[in-house]
Amino acid sequence: ELKVEQNPLFLSMQEGKNYTIYCNYSTTSDRLYWYRQDPGKSLESLFVLLSNGAVKQEGRLMASLDTKARLSTLHITAAVHDLSATYFCAAVGYMGGGADGLTFGKGTHLIIQP
Amino acid sequence: GAGVSQSPRYKVAKRGQDVALRCDPISGHVSLFWYQQALGQGPEFLTYFQNEAQLDKSGLPSDRFFAERPEGSVSTLKIQRTQQEDSAVYLCASSLVRMVNTEAFFGQGTRLTVV
Repeated sequence: ELKVEQNPLFLSMQEGKNYTIYCNYSTTSDRLYWYRQDPGKSLESLFVLLSNGAVKQEGRLMASLDTKARLSTLHITAAVHDLSATYFCAAVGYMGGGADGLTFGKGTHLIIQP
Repeated sequence: GAGVSQSPRYKVAKRGQDVALRCDPISGHVSLFWYQQALGQGPEFLTYFQNEAQLDKSGLPSDRFFAERPEGSVSTLKIQRTQQEDSAVYLCASSLVRMVNTEAFFGQGTRLTVV
């Protein structure tokens, strides 16, 4: 059964600083997502990573994937307050009944202080 | 429609009441998923449909939970005799084909509060 672990689960940082969120998954996965969720809102897809060594960047966020280490990272550069949210990684794998679906980490609650 | 639509957005139910939550996936999407997200947690898989066939219901927490997609488009998640532990946001997602091949899109969710 695929398991996904994120760390840290809570992160408070100052504007202008850099930080990295880590996502480990337990078994082979063909697709890794990063989502953003604002309070009371649904999931906004940020990145889809498909292959080993994949790197994607959007603004101050950059995501990478190492399939050999089963590790993805989300790096925040020069954080700004607007990036405060909860970030989830999710890996595609087989669910208990055999269908492929997303298994989510517990999320990283990110607070960026002015 | 343009995206995955869920209704109602909010539902308050008295303990023991039955509820039905609706999901309209993106037109033409074969795969449909239901997830449950408890407060402060990540979404947890409940069940999966490929067209009208429910291929995986391993995540349904009890036999009080039932899902259907009779015509392969709209899906309904029904919870019978609701309990307080059922309070959560229920998210629906759809993808064009299998999730391993295409991106999944999530609806805005239904927030269920059982009092």
